[in-house]
Amino acid sequence: NAGVTQTPKFQVLKTGQSMTLQCAQDMNHEYMSWYRQDPGMGLRLIHYSVGAGITDQGEVPNGYNVSRSTTEDFPLRLLSAAPSQTSVYFCASSYSPPSTNEKLFFGSGTQLSVL
Amino acid sequence: GEDVEQSLFLSVREGDSSVINCTYTDSSSTYLYWYKQEPGAGLQLLTYIFSNMDMKQDQRLTVLLNKKDKHLSLRIADTQTGDSAIYFCAESSRGFQKLVFGTGTRLLVSP
Repeated sequence: NAGVTQTPKFQVLKTGQSMTLQCAQDMNHEYMSWYRQDPGMGLRLIHYSVGAGITDQGEVPNGYNVSRSTTEDFPLRLLSAAPSQTSVYFCASSYSPPSTNEKLFFGSGTQLSVL
Repeated sequence: GEDVEQSLFLSVREGDSSVINCTYTDSSSTYLYWYKQEPGAGLQLLTYIFSNMDMKQDQRLTVLLNKKDKHLSLRIADTQTGDSAIYFCAESSRGFQKLVFGTGTRLLVSP
């Protein structure tokens, strides 16, 4: 049972480049989300999805796009990378939205540097 | 909006108790959580407490909730070097489909 798988683990981009961070889960979770982690700021929610075909914005959505065409996959797209997007990105999933006692399962993270 | 605050750093000696504190602003918080992040890894749920409880104990972990002051704490008894990590508190509210995380407290346990 792989859980939540994120790829790549590390990525360096130049300003203006685009890329997609991949997230896949094999637990049949309906809820998936993307967070970024920055020093002294904790985790901030970028986008989330409560099921296939449904996405919504979190606290810091600007510069990022998501889609949810299948239950398993929730890719995060950086449209035109900026140095302010240098961060560690985490994908997390759960059976249902976390306004319950549902546990969030986290991937191991993608460390992104934008030069 | 919701806001969750934690102190950034705590240092204790092995065998002592650790107390990590958290304050939150959302009075409608339904569940409050403690997550642990070890170096180079994602977060893992340690424990959670429902908002109508004031205490929960789980082996070496004790969670205290003061709903009036919007204060949550995590006590780790007999702290071990393996407990060194970053600890995040988080809160969820009924109808809000997200968790709001605190800034994280880095716990350093020295031998």
